[in-house]
Amino acid sequence: AQRVTQPEKLLSVFKGAPVELKCNYSYSGSPELFWYVQYSRQRLQLLLRHISRESIKGFTADLNKGETSFHLKKPFAQEEDSAMYYCALSGSGGNAGNMLTFGGGTRLMVKP
Amino acid sequence: KAGVTQTPRYLIKTRGQQVTLSCSPISGHRSVSWYQQTPGQGLQFLFEYFSETQRNKGNFPGRFSGRQFSNSRSEMNVSTLELGDSALYLCASRSGQTNTGELFFGEGSRLTVL
Repeated sequence: AQRVTQPEKLLSVFKGAPVELKCNYSYSGSPELFWYVQYSRQRLQLLLRHISRESIKGFTADLNKGETSFHLKKPFAQEEDSAMYYCALSGSGGNAGNMLTFGGGTRLMVKP
Repeated sequence: KAGVTQTPRYLIKTRGQQVTLSCSPISGHRSVSWYQQTPGQGLQFLFEYFSETQRNKGNFPGRFSGRQFSNSRSEMNVSTLELGDSALYLCASRSGQTNTGELFFGEGSRLTVL
């Protein structure tokens, strides 16, 4: 069974401080990992995916297969980063990639 | 392009009733999936349709069902409603047949069961 764990329900930092949102997963095969974000009064939307190896809005995430982690990081938090962040996993074989397993989410609050 | 549209946005039902929720995907998207979001269980996968065929189903009882039409619009139905079915039901669409691909979510249908 696949599982995604986000240990922190709430993370509060000051503007300009570094941010790390933790995500751990369990999956027997080769997973695909994503970070989705939901800003206040907006839809859930994709932030980034590990296969793209991209930086979006200053956020990066590295897949660590040894530690089964996919932590989201940003060196300097901005107030507009305040949102709900969800880590998600999909399988890579057959139809397994057609469903996402989400973590419980972490609410990031960036204080001025 | 218009985004994923879900109707109705809000609805209230009583136990034992049934409900049908509708989702119109982004034009050209053939994959539609449904998720249930509750404070206790978070976001949970219900099912996914592609070209009118259900490809995956989550761990929900048979009271939860869905279908997809030839124009890719999808409906999900919950019969014999229980209090625990109160949730935000999210629909998401994606373009391709491949596994990878960004999911585009709707605003959701908030169901309250009394």
